[in-house]
Amino acid sequence: GAGVSQSPSNKVTEKGKDVELRCDPISGHTALYWYRQRLGQGLEFLIYFQGNSAPDKSGLPSDRFSAERTGESVSTLTIQRTQQEDSAVYLCASSFRGNYEQYFGPGTRLTVT
Amino acid sequence: GIQVEQSPPDLILQEGANSTLRCNFSDSVNNLQWFHQNPWGQLINLFYIPSGTKQNGRLSATTVATERYSLLYISSSQTTDSGVYFCAVNSENAGGTSYGKLTFGQGTILTVHP
Repeated sequence: GAGVSQSPSNKVTEKGKDVELRCDPISGHTALYWYRQRLGQGLEFLIYFQGNSAPDKSGLPSDRFSAERTGESVSTLTIQRTQQEDSAVYLCASSFRGNYEQYFGPGTRLTVT
Repeated sequence: GIQVEQSPPDLILQEGANSTLRCNFSDSVNNLQWFHQNPWGQLINLFYIPSGTKQNGRLSATTVATERYSLLYISSSQTTDSGVYFCAVNSENAGGTSYGKLTFGQGTILTVHP
């Protein structure tokens, strides 16, 4: 596609429920990243996929967070047993390869009530 | 890990004014990007500039990698320039599976009044 797409654009969920966020990277981009942006803050890294290599999960804040990527295409970020502190905008980015210029999607705004 | 500091945190300008935003980082980098986050939250790529100087219309950027800083220049500012400007870097020494991930500064909030 023309750019990185994410769905849903907004998600409101009750505390304790599981949510799945989806990211479609730019076609041909082998690297995919997830970031989180809390209100009024900069972005914090969550997880990085590069081709068929083991992902870098060093930014995941707890074991309630997990992500998968199918080949070099879509990725899903799953948050289990959501908590109010998980409320944030979750942004996905892709790049041609690791350390090339990253391009961001519009984000998913998650609100946990 | 690498630290990224942006200054000033807030900047208020009249339309037509020029400004300089600064990004300091604590380690050698192999990737540095400047972004503009518009009021709808979209991150717009401005520059990919791990070193050197680039220009794009009214915007230009310079990264002095040996001194660990980057500058973003905005000339003849317009109201549409308002938003948050982020600097983000990847540490050259991250290595291994950390290669590629960006560390962001806290941003500079720019407000341009007509």
